[in-house]
Amino acid sequence: EAGVTQSPTHLIKTRGQQATLRCSPISGHTSVYWYQQALGLGLQFLLWYDEGEERNRGNFPPRFSGRQFPNYSSELNVNALELEDSALYLCASSLRPGQGVTYEQYFGPGTRLTVT
Amino acid sequence: AQTVTQSQPEMSVQEAETVTLSCTYDTSESDYYLFWYKQPPSRQMILVIRQEAYKQQNATENRFSVNFQKAAKSFSLKISDSQLGDAAMYFCAFSETSGSRLTFGEGTQLTVNP
Repeated sequence: EAGVTQSPTHLIKTRGQQATLRCSPISGHTSVYWYQQALGLGLQFLLWYDEGEERNRGNFPPRFSGRQFPNYSSELNVNALELEDSALYLCASSLRPGQGVTYEQYFGPGTRLTVT
Repeated sequence: AQTVTQSQPEMSVQEAETVTLSCTYDTSESDYYLFWYKQPPSRQMILVIRQEAYKQQNATENRFSVNFQKAAKSFSLKISDSQLGDAAMYFCAFSETSGSRLTFGEGTQLTVNP
């Protein structure tokens, strides 16, 4: 069974540009989560998508946005890049959460975003 | 808001010995999930073990086991018969029920000495 995949592996952008990161979940998983792992800041939750809708959002500015496609893959867009956006961006997927049930999140290898 | 604290930034263990990583959390919820993930140098986050708060029995996965103390809000990970491949950053994580975000601790860097 294929795991969560992310592309690109590395991305170098200039301050002020836009970055687009992509994630394909494990087959059968409908939920996709995005996390930022910045040096010194640990792992921070960004966004959660399920069934094409944004379900939850972390404490990040609106220039961090995304979407989920009908095949459950997802895109994270970061507009007006700032130097502090440099980080490893991790995508995770899980089965559709049920009432009172949480399923494990499985992570992809990440996209390393460098803003210069 | 939930918080997760790992008070040991670094730990080391001799190969074949046992090590325990500590984690405490704070929540007002009565039902929730706890996880341990490892992140080796490849940066790939790997799920190690999961614990449901409503279960009194501690979770076990081969050489990995947890000590879940709900009243004390403590969730430690014990690694038995440590192997060189266990060297990684270990993160404790909390999740509410019905999906939702994972809240991670700061991580504990585990070194395994041959």
